[in-house]
This record gives sequence, structure tokens and C-alpha cells, in this order.
Amino acid sequence: DAGVIQSPRHEVTEMGQEVTLRCKPISGHDYLFWYRQTMMRGLELLIYFNNNVPIDDSGMPEDRFSAKMPNASFSTLKIQPSEPRDSAVYFCASSPRTGGIQYFGAGTRLSVL
Amino acid sequence: AQKITQTQPGMFVQEKEAVTLDCTYDTSDPSYGLFWYKQPSSGEMIFLIYQGSYDQQNATEGRYSLNFQKARKSANLVISASQLGDSAMYFCAMREVFNDYKLSFGAGTTVTVRA
Repeated sequence: DAGVIQSPRHEVTEMGQEVTLRCKPISGHDYLFWYRQTMMRGLELLIYFNNNVPIDDSGMPEDRFSAKMPNASFSTLKIQPSEPRDSAVYFCASSPRTGGIQYFGAGTRLSVL
Repeated sequence: AQKITQTQPGMFVQEKEAVTLDCTYDTSDPSYGLFWYKQPSSGEMIFLIYQGSYDQQNATEGRYSLNFQKARKSANLVISASQLGDSAMYFCAMREVFNDYKLSFGAGTTVTVRA
């Protein structure tokens, strides 16, 4: 079985540009999570979806960040405009049920210059 | 308040020896779950082991075992017979019903296995 698939693995962009990160969850998983990992703040939950519906976006840092899940097999996290402080590793994870084990993708390492 | 505390920023262990990674947690939720994840230098987060608050037995998965001491609110990970490939960052995490089942992560412990 394929795990959670994220693309791209690495993204380098300039300040002010739009960045789109992509995630394909494990088939059959109802929950999808977006996390951000930085040295200063560790792993932070940004937003999560249940059955494609955003449930909790309280971790989204500001309006420049948005996330969508148009169907059960695809989600995007968009940053517009990007800033150097957005540089981090962004993880997507999926889970089959409430409180279930979350399986993570390989992450996208974002560098905003 | 910190929900998950991992007090060991880094540890060294000799190959083939066992190592214990400490994790203490803070919750008033009677129903919670504890997880350990491994993050090698390549960056991915790998699920290792899970312990539910009502589980009577300590969880085990191959060379990984979880020393769950509920009264002390600790959930230490034990890796037996360490291998070079065990060198990585290890994260303890907790999910609580009170917190909508969201995971709270500790700061992590870096383990370096020496040959």
C-alpha cells in the first residue's frame, strides 16, 4: 500500500511568491492533517480535515495560509504571499478514524529566500 | 503548560545495547493515547508504537516497547538491541479526547548509535 504522498519534496522560492504544497492521503483514511516543523516551535498542527471538511484551522498562522481538500484523495496547502519566516518542513498525515494512528508523508522542505 | 516533556535532548548508545527514551505527559483526560514516532535524517516521520490509557499491558512492536506508568504519567520508549539505523530523532506524542484527538508532540530526543 502506498503511504501518504507529498509533493514537492523540496521547494525554494522567493519572498512574495505563491507556494502550493500537495498531499495524497492513504486511501480509505477519513482524516487529513497538515503540520509544520521548525527548530524553534517543533511540530505544530496547522489544520485538519474530516471527510474533506475542514474541522479545525486554529493552527493556521495567518490569512496568508489556506488549505483545501477538494476530494478524498487530494489536499493542498497554499501560502500566498510567502515570507522567509514560512521556511520549514511541512508534513501531511492521514488517519483512518478519530483518534487513530496518524501516518505521515515524507514532508516538503520549504525555503523562502 | 507543556503537555509532553522529553527531557533528553540527545543520547548516545552502543550498538546492540538497549536505550530508554523518557517521556512524561500532562493530561486530565481519562481517555488518551500515547505515540512514538521516529524521524531519521532523511526527514520522514515514522510511526513506531501506540499505547492507550486503558490498555492493561505495555505495548510492544518488535524491538520497541513502551514502559507505561500511568500513575507517574510516563510513557518511556525502550529500544532493545540498538542498530546503526536507529540513529534518529524520536518524538513522543499524545492525543486527548478533550483536545479533539489532536496530537501534541514533545520536543524530541536525538539518538546516536555508535558502532
